[in-house]
Amino acid sequence: SQKIEQNSEALNIQEGKTATLTCNYTNYSPAYLQWYRQDPGRGPVFLLLIRENEKEKRKERLKVTFDTTLKQSLFHITASQPADSATYLCALDPNDYKLSFGAGTTVTVRA
Amino acid sequence: NAGVTQTPKFRVLKTGQSMTLLCAQDMNHEYMYWYRQDPGMGLRLIHYSVGEGTTAKGEVPDGYNVSRLKKQNFLLGLESAAPSQTSVYFCASSSPGDRRSYEQYFGPGTRLTVT
Repeated sequence: SQKIEQNSEALNIQEGKTATLTCNYTNYSPAYLQWYRQDPGRGPVFLLLIRENEKEKRKERLKVTFDTTLKQSLFHITASQPADSATYLCALDPNDYKLSFGAGTTVTVRA
Repeated sequence: NAGVTQTPKFRVLKTGQSMTLLCAQDMNHEYMYWYRQDPGMGLRLIHYSVGEGTTAKGEVPDGYNVSRLKKQNFLLGLESAAPSQTSVYFCASSSPGDRRSYEQYFGPGTRLTVT
């Protein structure tokens, strides 16, 4: 069966450190992988998209990698700040514009 | 530019009652989606629409119906609510035809409790 797994535990890190989140998938062949941020009581907000033929994508302090051989994406938040505290969702798109989401990883950045 | 809006924000229903959730978007997006989000689980797709007048089933469609009579609106109906439908419902839209908009834009959500 298809499965998307993100870090099973919440991530607590010190301000200024790098947070690394994982997204592993089985029985999917995504053409695109997207990362979203969700704050409590709000809808998800798009952060980054990476294509299957791309290895890495960056946006400001965010970096995403995509390894289709390992069936894994890593999401990095560098120089983390308390404002980065949120739940981060990965989503797979097999190129039919319907996303399948992981359960999310909650990140808390301590000042 | 309000983006994606949802009404109502909160609702409590008794088992067997019916209701309609309204989603509206002002971005002229072709695609619209309804998801539900439950604790510890990812967003799950209920129904979606690829254009005005079209609808299709997603991963968890049972117990729900949808309609897309106008491009900007997508309605989600519960004909006979059950406690298992207690959840937070999110609407989203996207415009895949525009290569700058593969991402989905989400509304603020509707928190539904069925007692």
